[in-house]
Amino acid sequence: QVQLQESGSGLVEPSQTLSLTCTVSGASIKNANYFWTWIRQPAGRGLEWVGRIHSAENPTYNPSLKSRVTISVDTSKNQFSLKLTSVTAADTALYYCASLGSFNIWGQGTMVIVSS
Amino acid sequence: QTVVTQEPSLTVSPGGTVTLTCASSTGAVTSDHHPNWFQQKPGQAPRTLIYSTRSKYSWTPARFSGSLLGGKAALTLSGVQPEDEAEYYCLLYYGTQGEFGGGTKVTVL
Repeated sequence: QVQLQESGSGLVEPSQTLSLTCTVSGASIKNANYFWTWIRQPAGRGLEWVGRIHSAENPTYNPSLKSRVTISVDTSKNQFSLKLTSVTAADTALYYCASLGSFNIWGQGTMVIVSS
Repeated sequence: QTVVTQEPSLTVSPGGTVTLTCASSTGAVTSDHHPNWFQQKPGQAPRTLIYSTRSKYSWTPARFSGSLLGGKAALTLSGVQPEDEAEYYCLLYYGTQGEFGGGTKVTVL
């Protein structure tokens, strides 16, 4: 059974970098069936697609975040990661890692608060 | 930037049928947008119900179906159950880039 688990900094100071990792168990991060995706949700609001990475394509990002976001894969640890620079309070949200499409899994989400 | 639009809220009676739609600011939604539909209940992570317009997962109840309708993606709930009360989100892909709709709050009353 494939499972995803988010981890990382729960509290980030404004203007700093948010870093999250999603650990994949039960499948290889290199498996082409999976589209590794980050999604976020501010409290009481809707879902926002942050970006995704796939073994056969370059990472793709939400245009509204593109200048600040990087998604990468660490094959040695079977993880994929999210880095978001120059954060503000608007980046406070529940962050989910997931694979969408025919091979579908969601992590439970991790809360990130941007505050000094 | 593209905008994906859903009805803010819909109300349906138990046992009834309701159709949620998902429109794109760029024009008609087609299968090339690979519409996905998600259900989210309060305090829970989203759950994917439909991918690639109409494909279901093993966990997707048979009463949920996806389609294209009048230039939009659609999610139809037939024989609605009280447990279907939730927020529903659609996701469209523009190439490899995804965009969520704002969500539809479905109330079963």
